[in-house]
Amino acid sequence: GQQLNQSPQSMFIQEGEDVSMNCTSSSIFNTWLWYKQDPGEGPVLLIALYKAGELTSNGRLTAQFGITRKDSFLNISASIPSDVGIYFCAGLTSGTYKYIFGTGTRLKVLA
Amino acid sequence: GAVVSQHPSWVICKSGTSVKIECRSLDFQATTMFWYRQFPKQSLMLMATSNEGSKATYEQGVEKDKFLINHASLTLSTLTVTSAHPEDSSFYICSARDPLGWGAKGEAFFGQGTRLTVV
Repeated sequence: GQQLNQSPQSMFIQEGEDVSMNCTSSSIFNTWLWYKQDPGEGPVLLIALYKAGELTSNGRLTAQFGITRKDSFLNISASIPSDVGIYFCAGLTSGTYKYIFGTGTRLKVLA
Repeated sequence: GAVVSQHPSWVICKSGTSVKIECRSLDFQATTMFWYRQFPKQSLMLMATSNEGSKATYEQGVEKDKFLINHASLTLSTLTVTSAHPEDSSFYICSARDPLGWGAKGEAFFGQGTRLTVV
């Protein structure tokens, strides 16, 4: 099935550092969502974006809906050990409500 | 709000048997639920869309006779893996959206997943 390209694929960072990851698509989406998945668990919704150019924050997380509607970015500031996990972006086209998931970014935080 | 519960969390079954996985929306009515499959270190792949009171819509390449989906009520969808084989071993995750409340703009909320191991 179709997937969105996420980068980086994985990253190791020191506690306290900021993190940036992005998600790109060849298709246009009307909604972008970012999820975090811990091992053996289902994804948990972090941020939802509904219109091009939108910038939304949730605590230390900030995400943006790209102007072209073909990309999105997620930033995590001042990372902490519990930020460890896999981050997935997901694009949503109107009408079908079917999610297309990104390939995931695996984040590891070194204390 | 917006809690989705999956049961069981893990299951081990013998090859050739069938396994049923339940997905429940606990505090909202879900007209639409989705079933995903996830292999280790990979992303979620949509298997099918489950609509309350009607037949599920399967993604290309997913065998509908192998993966039976029933969405008999607004709070429950089930996925039955029939005649399971070792290659069916995977992490299965459901999600649900409530078009009238949480999910009105399209957000879906996920269950905790079910780890299926076929031996």
